[in-house]
Amino acid sequence: GAVVSQHPSWVICKSGTSVKIECRSLDFQATTMFWYRQFPKQSLMLMATSNEGSKATYEQGVEKDKFLINHASLTLSTLTVTSAHPEDSSFYICSAPRAGGGSYGYTFGSGTRLTVV
Amino acid sequence: QKEVEQNSGPLSVPEGAIASLNCTYSDRVSQSFFWYRQYSGKSPELIMSIYSNGDKEDGRFTAQLNKASQYVSLLIRDSQPSDSATYLCAASDSWGKLQFGAGTQVVVTP
Repeated sequence: GAVVSQHPSWVICKSGTSVKIECRSLDFQATTMFWYRQFPKQSLMLMATSNEGSKATYEQGVEKDKFLINHASLTLSTLTVTSAHPEDSSFYICSAPRAGGGSYGYTFGSGTRLTVV
Repeated sequence: QKEVEQNSGPLSVPEGAIASLNCTYSDRVSQSFFWYRQYSGKSPELIMSIYSNGDKEDGRFTAQLNKASQYVSLLIRDSQPSDSATYLCAASDSWGKLQFGAGTQVVVTP
C-alpha cells in the first residue's frame, strides 16, 4: 500500500517551454506532498510542500513563480516548471507522508528526469 | 550547519563484511529518522525507520539511534554486491518535512 505514481518518468523540453509533472497517490489520500530536486551526485533538496486546498509553501531560494505547484485534490499534486532553462535540468521527486504527518514513513514517486535543451 | 550530515564516501566494503554508516542531525530535525537506499537514476527506497533510542533490526540491517548524541547509524551485515548504492540518512522536523543528508556511496567489492 501507499503508492505514489509519478509521471512522466523522463521528459526533454526546449528552453523557454513549460513542463508539468504529476504525482498521484493511488491507494491513500495525500493531503500533503513534498517536492524534491536532485542534481547529479547530490542529495535530495526539498523545494516545496503542497497541501490540498491551500497554497504551497516554498523553501528558501526556490522561485515560486517558476515552480508552480497545485494540489487540487487529495490524490493529485502537480509541479509545473515554467520557462524552463538548462539549469533546471534535474531529477524531480515527489513524496507523501503515509500517515500521521510522516510518523509511519514517507512514500516516494519514481521520479522525473527533466532535460532542458 | 546542515540539518543532516553524513560522510559522502565512497565506503568500500568487501563482500560478506559489515558496512557501517553514520549520520548526525541538528535540533531542528529530531522527530523521526530514516535510512533510504538509492540506486543511480532511481527514486529512494526505504530501508529502515527508527523513532526511539536504541537498536532496530530488520534482516541484515540494523539501525541505531542515540538522541542524546544526535546520532543515527546503519549497519549492513553480510554485505552483497547488490547493496552497492547510495545510502541516504533522513530526518523529519515537527512539520513533517523530511530533510536528507548528502548520502554515502557504498561499494561492495567481490
